[in-house]
Amino acid sequence: DQQVKQNSPSLSVQEGRISILNCDYTNSMFDYFLWYKKYPAEGPTFLISISSIKDKNEDGRFTVFLNKSAKHLSLHIVPSQPGDSAVYFCAASGNSGTYKYIFGTGTRLKVLA
Amino acid sequence: EAQVTQNPRYLITVTGKKLTVTCSQNMNHEYMSWYRQDPGLGLRQIYYSMNVEVTDKGDVPEGYKVSRKEKRNFPLILESPSPNQTSLYFCASSPNGGPQHFGDGTRLSIL
Repeated sequence: DQQVKQNSPSLSVQEGRISILNCDYTNSMFDYFLWYKKYPAEGPTFLISISSIKDKNEDGRFTVFLNKSAKHLSLHIVPSQPGDSAVYFCAASGNSGTYKYIFGTGTRLKVLA
Repeated sequence: EAQVTQNPRYLITVTGKKLTVTCSQNMNHEYMSWYRQDPGLGLRQIYYSMNVEVTDKGDVPEGYKVSRKEKRNFPLILESPSPNQTSLYFCASSPNGGPQHFGDGTRLSIL
């Protein structure tokens, strides 16, 4: 049972446009969500996180939106740059008392110059 | 430089031959964790540790052991490796269980 799902394996976007990456979860006990970016031959790098008490968090070009009723979160990258081309993973945790993380399967973003 | 260091980076071995993948962090982080990455399955957590001598199972702990005798080190032990443990492994650390800093990975092939 995949508790965290990224249903789009890949996404292509033109440079300068918005990239929207989606993530759905099934476990209502999750209360902390993160996005990581991964380049080939490197470990994942933390991008941005959001707690369930918020519905939006921004950091520069990256914004994460959380819709608790729909159990859905999304990562917006504006404007997209060629250097953003990577695999993006969302992750979830029931952070109050546990630090066990469930990751999605990843979405490969390609930003076209 | 703040880093998580894994060794070895690559290993080809045979079924049943015990192996250890070491992980060390120089950031004085309390939390450390191991993941495996497989095609189509994303990252799956194997074990994590909130502090010295405290370890907990992640999503896929079967066939693995860990120990946390010192804060900086968190080795992953495969007592009797099998081909289904062929994978790309990542170690990660975090100050308190939040956003994690990952190592560059260890590619294990078990024949």
